[in-house]
Amino acid sequence: SAVISQKPSRDICQRGTSLTIQCQVDSQVTMMFWYRQQPGQSLTLIATANQGSEATYESGFVIDKFPISRPNLTFSTLTVSNMSPEDSSIYLCSVGGQTYEQYFGPGTRLTVT
Amino acid sequence: AQSVTQPDIHITVSEGASLELRCNYSYGATPYLFWYVQSPGQGLQLLLKYFSGDTLVQGIKGFEAEFKRSQSSFNLRKPSVHWSDAAEYFCAVGAGGGADGLTFGKGTHLIIQP
Repeated sequence: SAVISQKPSRDICQRGTSLTIQCQVDSQVTMMFWYRQQPGQSLTLIATANQGSEATYESGFVIDKFPISRPNLTFSTLTVSNMSPEDSSIYLCSVGGQTYEQYFGPGTRLTVT
Repeated sequence: AQSVTQPDIHITVSEGASLELRCNYSYGATPYLFWYVQSPGQGLQLLLKYFSGDTLVQGIKGFEAEFKRSQSSFNLRKPSVHWSDAAEYFCAVGAGGGADGLTFGKGTHLIIQP
């Protein structure tokens, strides 16, 4: 399975600011995914990032709020823009495996004050 | 669209006892099913997966799960739990092709009693 790292591991941000989360994979992958896990909740898919094309967003998530970049096959970023306390969550990136499973990064714990 | 139901929010089991965590899914075609574990402060770790073949699948850490199409279920089992199994367990379903994200259940919080 791929080794996935995320930066930062955690951050405390003020409302109205933006934070960019980085996701690095140790091998080339076609599909990368971004999820949000709100406090005490399950994971919700934000968007799918395919290298060389625009990210595909799930219902309830928009590009202006969560812009995603995918410049190459080993890296992606998710920006949380104009943050509010409701954006306080763990943000996780994942990559697809050989048989459709996904492997997850350690997550970025974001607190918005 | 697919969905996953984990009916038990919390389960308490004595150490050494057997465990079964329930998962029901809704999906029109053959599902790809997964169980993940999330320990406190840790990321998600894949325990096991099912996508075809033998309906009883073995995973890591002594876990197994059985796919029952007639019941739309994919329950996770372990014959004897250890204190280190205390964690949050998530069942997830994926559509075919690998290009789509996973849909997760709300999770089951497992508590181990000494």
